[in-house]
Amino acid sequence: AQSVTQLDSQVPVFEEAPVELRCNYSSSVSVYLFWYVQYPNQGLQLLLKYLSGSTLVKGINGFEAEFNKSQTSFHLRKPSVHISDTAEYFCAVSGETSYDKVIFGPGTSLSVIP
Amino acid sequence: DAGVIQSPRHEVTEMGQEVTLRCKPISGHDYLFWYRQTMMRGLELLIYFNNNVPIDDSGMPEDRFSAKMPNASFSTLKIQPSEPRDSAVYFCASSRGGYEKLFFGSGTQLSVL
Repeated sequence: AQSVTQLDSQVPVFEEAPVELRCNYSSSVSVYLFWYVQYPNQGLQLLLKYLSGSTLVKGINGFEAEFNKSQTSFHLRKPSVHISDTAEYFCAVSGETSYDKVIFGPGTSLSVIP
Repeated sequence: DAGVIQSPRHEVTEMGQEVTLRCKPISGHDYLFWYRQTMMRGLELLIYFNNNVPIDDSGMPEDRFSAKMPNASFSTLKIQPSEPRDSAVYFCASSRGGYEKLFFGSGTQLSVL
């Protein structure tokens, strides 16, 4: 069965520094990959998604992610973070049983330090 | 666009009581998902519907949980009887397709005492 691993449960980073949030997936079939963000007391919002094509995907708020099939990874990056980026970030995958069924990773809590 | 609307925002109940959570998806979206979020288990998919028909309920934890979607604009998640371990945030989400962008509601914070 497909699964999603987010290696870091918490990532503290200083404001204006770069950040990378790691995501690895396991699946025997081609998958679709997503990053969602959850601000406190809110539902999740889509940051970006990879369905096919270019392996470098750009999303909202200056985030981007790179799909690496050989390493089964989909790491999220931002060159310079802002205080407002403090949130929970979820990597997600679909495709093992159905492309409609989206499975989320455990999440990474990003804390931006002034 | 009002977004996905969930009610109530907070629910506090006693063990053994019936709990009903409600969701109104975005008009035109034909997929509806129910997720449960806890610190221990993260975000779990409970069940999802396509055109009001349940497609996959393999994530529903027990027979105490049931979900319905009587029409395209309304869904319920019912827990009967409720137990303290059901305490969690329950999210409803809708989309035009599972691999399309999921639009989440604000969630229902359920506390079972």
